[in-house]
Amino acid sequence: GEDVEQSLFLSVREGDSSVINCTYTDSSSTYLYWYKQEPGAGLQLLTYIFSNMDMKQDQRLTVLLNKKDKHLSLRIADTQTGDSAIYFCAENRDDKIIFGKGTRLHILP
Amino acid sequence: NAGVTQTPKFRILKIGQSMTLQCAQDMNHNYMYWYRQDPGMGLKLIYYSVGAGITDKGEVPNGYNVSRSTTEDFPLRLELAAPSQTSVYFCASSVSGRDSYEQYFGPGTRLTVT
Repeated sequence: GEDVEQSLFLSVREGDSSVINCTYTDSSSTYLYWYKQEPGAGLQLLTYIFSNMDMKQDQRLTVLLNKKDKHLSLRIADTQTGDSAIYFCAENRDDKIIFGKGTRLHILP
Repeated sequence: NAGVTQTPKFRILKIGQSMTLQCAQDMNHNYMYWYRQDPGMGLKLIYYSVGAGITDKGEVPNGYNVSRSTTEDFPLRLELAAPSQTSVYFCASSVSGRDSYEQYFGPGTRLTVT
């Protein structure tokens, strides 16, 4: 299909790891992104990965890329209440960045 | 730098009215974009521009118009507002398109058409 696909909701207990998954469509995308949107705000770039990488780690965040399956994941270690937000997977395609529908991460106490 | 600014923050329109959503960036970015975000949904690209004087349609351009007379400004025009255009509108900019690693987003304009 043409869409970037991701599940709509994820609930995680505080302190556990969160894993948000995404499948993208364009095998020639140079960059794949994770954006975070907090309530009432615009999107902010959380992290990105070059298409020639398999993994990128940045403090509590780990991005895994499986180019063969066009699968991207974001792992948040030690999830905190401040991580509650909508997380958007995105790929660059031609002159545009195409976003998924977003995964709403809900933190349970 | 102020980044990407949008005005107004909120607006209520009656059906058939027209308005312009303003967007400006001070980062000298060539690429600018307009998205709409409907409740519980992702972003849909309305229009984008790869430089001053150049605009192109995105996924959902019907009912909208844009212009790009300067690098800094990228206004979005609604000519005959319809309830289906009730949404949150985000403007974004980036250095380039395909090889850009980040889009910078404005804070959004929440539009209600009744």
